[in-house]
Amino acid sequence: DAGVIQSPRHEVTEMGQEVTLRCKPISGHNSLFWYRQTMMRGLELLIYFNNNVPIDDSGMPEDRFSAKMPNASFSTLKIQPSEPRDSAVYFCASSFRGPPYEQYFGPGTRLTVT
Amino acid sequence: GQQVMQIPQYQHVQEGEDFTTYCNSSTTLSNIQWYKQRPGGHPVFLIQLVKSGEVKKQKRLTFQFGEAKKNSSLHITATQTTDVGTYFCARLQTGANNLFFGTGTRLTVIP
Repeated sequence: DAGVIQSPRHEVTEMGQEVTLRCKPISGHNSLFWYRQTMMRGLELLIYFNNNVPIDDSGMPEDRFSAKMPNASFSTLKIQPSEPRDSAVYFCASSFRGPPYEQYFGPGTRLTVT
Repeated sequence: GQQVMQIPQYQHVQEGEDFTTYCNSSTTLSNIQWYKQRPGGHPVFLIQLVKSGEVKKQKRLTFQFGEAKKNSSLHITATQTTDVGTYFCARLQTGANNLFFGTGTRLTVIP
């Protein structure tokens, strides 16, 4: 199994630009989670999907952030327009919806907004 | 709320010394999970505890779940440089399948 795949691994962009992060969950998993990690705020859940349906997006910072999951094998997190304070590592994780609930994380995308 | 508090935030130990991190909640937990994140890496699942008073071991790592299911601990015996990283506990949201992560304990092992 290839594990959770994220792309790109690194992204450097200028303030105001659109950024799209991509995630392919583990085949067979029916829950997908987007996290953001910074030194100041730790590991924050942004949004998660069960069976491709968004369940809780209360962690999404503001309207500049949006996420989609058009099918069971692909999800995107978009930031438009990006700001320097969005600089962080963004992780995607997947799991089975039921027990044991353990999550498998992708390698992350390190985003730098200048 | 449903957050979990983790202490200490940082720990520096000499190689060979023991290490313990603690996870506390103000409410009863249905389960507690532990993850390890190596520097520059991603969180990796270590274990899940479900039962009151449960103790599980993985080689030099011992995980405990409190009798009241409000706290948990991870103890590493005789630390090695490979133990370096941040250890997170995480709780399951009540009635849902998402996790709330603790703030993590960053372990540094001095050779």
